[in-house]
Parts: sequence; C-alpha cells; structure tokens
Amino acid sequence: AQSVAQPEDQVNVAEGNPLTVKCTYSVSGNPYLFWYVQYPNRGLQFLLKYITGDNLVKGSYGFEAEFNKSQTSFHLKKPSALVSDSALYFCAVRDGGATNKLIFGTGTLLAVQP
Amino acid sequence: EAGVAQSPRYKIIEKRQSVAFWCNPISGHATLYWYQQILGQGPKLLIQFQNNGVVDDSQLPKDRFSAERLKGVDSTLKIQPAKLEDSAVYLCASSRAGGTGRADTQYFGPGTRLTVL
Repeated sequence: AQSVAQPEDQVNVAEGNPLTVKCTYSVSGNPYLFWYVQYPNRGLQFLLKYITGDNLVKGSYGFEAEFNKSQTSFHLKKPSALVSDSALYFCAVRDGGATNKLIFGTGTLLAVQP
Repeated sequence: EAGVAQSPRYKIIEKRQSVAFWCNPISGHATLYWYQQILGQGPKLLIQFQNNGVVDDSQLPKDRFSAERLKGVDSTLKIQPAKLEDSAVYLCASSRAGGTGRADTQYFGPGTRLTVL
C-alpha cells in the first residue's frame, strides 16, 4: 500500500534562514507526490507536485521540493523563510489504484520566528 | 476562476442528530472528493465521485454516512446519526479528471468544522 511519512511534528526556523520539511514515501510503481499547506481554519492549498522528469520541482510562494528515488524522499525546501510561511504542511502520495485518491502524511507544523 | 465552495463553515450538533454538508466544485471539474480530517491527522478520503458516479467509497462508514452528487456538479455529504468520533473537518476537493493516468491536482475548499457534543 502507498504511504508517506513526515518524521517531524514541528520544525522551527528563524526568518531568513533556509527551511526543510521532510517527507519519505513508500509506493509500488511510479510515485506521484504532492505538497499542500494548511493555514488555520482554511482548507489545503496546493504547493507543488512531482510526476516525472526533473528531480527539483518548483512550486508556489518560492517553495521547491527535491525528489530522491534512492532515498525515497520528497523534502520541501525554501531558501529564505518568512514568518508568513508558518503553517501546517502535508505531504501526500497518489494511491496506486485506478482512482486519484491521495494518501496524506500526518503533517508538519512549521514555525518561523521573526 | 472561483475555488471550491463549502457550507456551512462550522456546525455544532449533539450526538445522534443528523447533519449535512454542501460542496460546489470548481467549474468544469469532473471529479469531486470528500475527505475527513481529524485533529492532528492528515485528511482521509471518504468518497470520490467522477461526474455523478461513485469511484471509491471504501472508507465511507455507510451505516451512518451518505453522499450524493446529482447532475454531476455539486454534492452533499450527510451523517445520520452522528457520533462523538465524527468531530472533524470535512474537506471537499475537486480535480479536472481524476481517473487512471497522470495525477491531477486536487483543489480543496475551506472545509466544514463539525463538533459533535
């Protein structure tokens, strides 16, 4: 069965520093991977996805993610964190069946200190 | 383009009562999803529609949950009777296609926060 793991419940980073939010995956077949962000009392906003091709995927709001097949990882990164990036981040993988169902991780809370 | 709309945003009910949530997807999106997000967890798919047909409802507790998507556009999710453990955020999402092949992006609405007392 497809799954993703987010090993950190919370990541703390100072404004202006680079940030990394970790995600590892387990899939049979080709991995289709996603990152979403959730602000308080809001739905999930799509950041980026990896389907195939370049291992470095660029997304919204200056975020990017690096796909690493040998390490089965899909870490989210940003060169310079903003206080407004503070939110809950979810990694997800497309289920391998005939549907487009997403399997989500448990989420990582990113706290950016001014 | 307008995003996914959901109502109500918040709902408080007592256990054993019934409740219904409404979702209007992005115009032209064939696939609609209902997810349940319990506090501290990632969203979990309850049911997926493609047009007005059910694609996956394997995790829908069918003894108390029901959903429909008449005319292949908006959708309602109902819980009857509600239990304490149904307290969660119910998220609706839509995507352009959603069947086999490449992974379509799912766009989410703001969610309905349900509290069952």
